[in-house]
Amino acid sequence: EDQVTQSPEALRLQEGESSSLNCSYTVSGLRGLFWYRQDPGKGPEFLFTLYSAGEEKEKERLKATLTKKESFLHITAPKPEDSATYLCAVPTKGGRRALTFGSGTRLQVQP
Amino acid sequence: SQTIHQWPATLVQPVGSPLSLECTVEGTSNPNLYWYRQAAGRGLQLLFYSVGIGQISSEVPQNLSASRPQDRQFILSSKKLLLSDSGFYLCAWGRQDHEQYFGPGTRLTVT
Repeated sequence: EDQVTQSPEALRLQEGESSSLNCSYTVSGLRGLFWYRQDPGKGPEFLFTLYSAGEEKEKERLKATLTKKESFLHITAPKPEDSATYLCAVPTKGGRRALTFGSGTRLQVQP
Repeated sequence: SQTIHQWPATLVQPVGSPLSLECTVEGTSNPNLYWYRQAAGRGLQLLFYSVGIGQISSEVPQNLSASRPQDRQFILSSKKLLLSDSGFYLCAWGRQDHEQYFGPGTRLTVT
């Protein structure tokens, strides 16, 4: 059974305090790992797709990296507007073209 | 560019009443379409997905149903709502490489 686990569940940072969020997965033949940002009461917003170990992608203060068993979302010098829940997902096995999501990390950045 | 719409944005319905949530996509043809439900503080649970008109796959047994009467229209329905149907309902469209893009969501409260 494919599984995606995110940690920590919640993270509180001071503005400018860099940190990392973790997404570990147990799936054979990874066909992509996806990161989303979700603001309260809104739909998830697509951030990144990573396909192979060693791959990195950046967007503003966010950088996503991938190893064979986990992905990290590094947040450098965060600002209060980075506060959100960050979700990772992997393709669900069985050819259904669906995604299996982790339960997310709720990030709060205090000024 | 592609746009995905959902309505209504919020809905309060009594137990036993019917439900109809609508999702439409603009700017793409023959998309994969998905309905997810998100309980408070939880990850996304896939309910239904569709790869074409009239083609619906159900992921979990429940009193909900889905239909796809047109290429870019996806409808979530119920004949009789249960309290447990409360949640945040998200529609998404997906590309062949598994990337998915979400709508703004519908907050359903069953009373």
